[in-house]
Amino acid sequence: AQSVAQPEDQVNVAEGNPLTVKCTYSVSGNPYLFWYVQYPNRGLQFLLKYITGDNLVKGSYGFEAEFNKSQTSFHLKKPSALVSDSALYFCAVRALQTGANNLFFGTGTRLTVIP
Amino acid sequence: DAGVIQSPRHEVTEMGQEVTLRCKPISGHNSLFWYRQTMMRGLELLIYFNNNVPIDDSGMPEDRFSAKMPNASFSTLKIQPSEPRDSAVYFCASSSPEFQETQYFGPGTRLLVL
Repeated sequence: AQSVAQPEDQVNVAEGNPLTVKCTYSVSGNPYLFWYVQYPNRGLQFLLKYITGDNLVKGSYGFEAEFNKSQTSFHLKKPSALVSDSALYFCAVRALQTGANNLFFGTGTRLTVIP
Repeated sequence: DAGVIQSPRHEVTEMGQEVTLRCKPISGHNSLFWYRQTMMRGLELLIYFNNNVPIDDSGMPEDRFSAKMPNASFSTLKIQPSEPRDSAVYFCASSSPEFQETQYFGPGTRLLVL
């Protein structure tokens, strides 16, 4: 079975500070891992993905994520938070070998960047 | 590219009525996904199609829900009869053959069943 856990419903960070949004996954075999962002009244937007290669993945808007196989984690990070980063963030996983296209999403983490 | 297009953006209906949600995927994409988002249950995959064929409909709640994809550029999700517990935001997403793992979402349809 495939699943994703986002242990924090809410993360607050001051503008200019680094931010981390946590994600752990469970999947048989090698995973595809994703981060999506959802702004109010909008659909989810793709931020970044890990498939293979370098464990540090860089994505849109200055975000990056680090794949850690031993800890089965894929935390989202940004060195300096902006107020405009305030949104709902979703981690998702897909198992490589299933051949299925569907993703399994976490429950989401609401990030609030405080001016 | 216009992205994934969904209509209507908002729908208010009364219990028992039929509701049809529409989706136009990104041109050239061959996989299409329907999701439902609620506060209580988060984001749930309802069904997905590959090359217009339903691949996995295990997330469809019950027989009141049905989805079709008559061609590569159009899909519908129908609820008949609708119930208040169907109130949610319904998203459609699509992905390309070259990058099947990356899904692009539409803006969603906010459904309220009274």
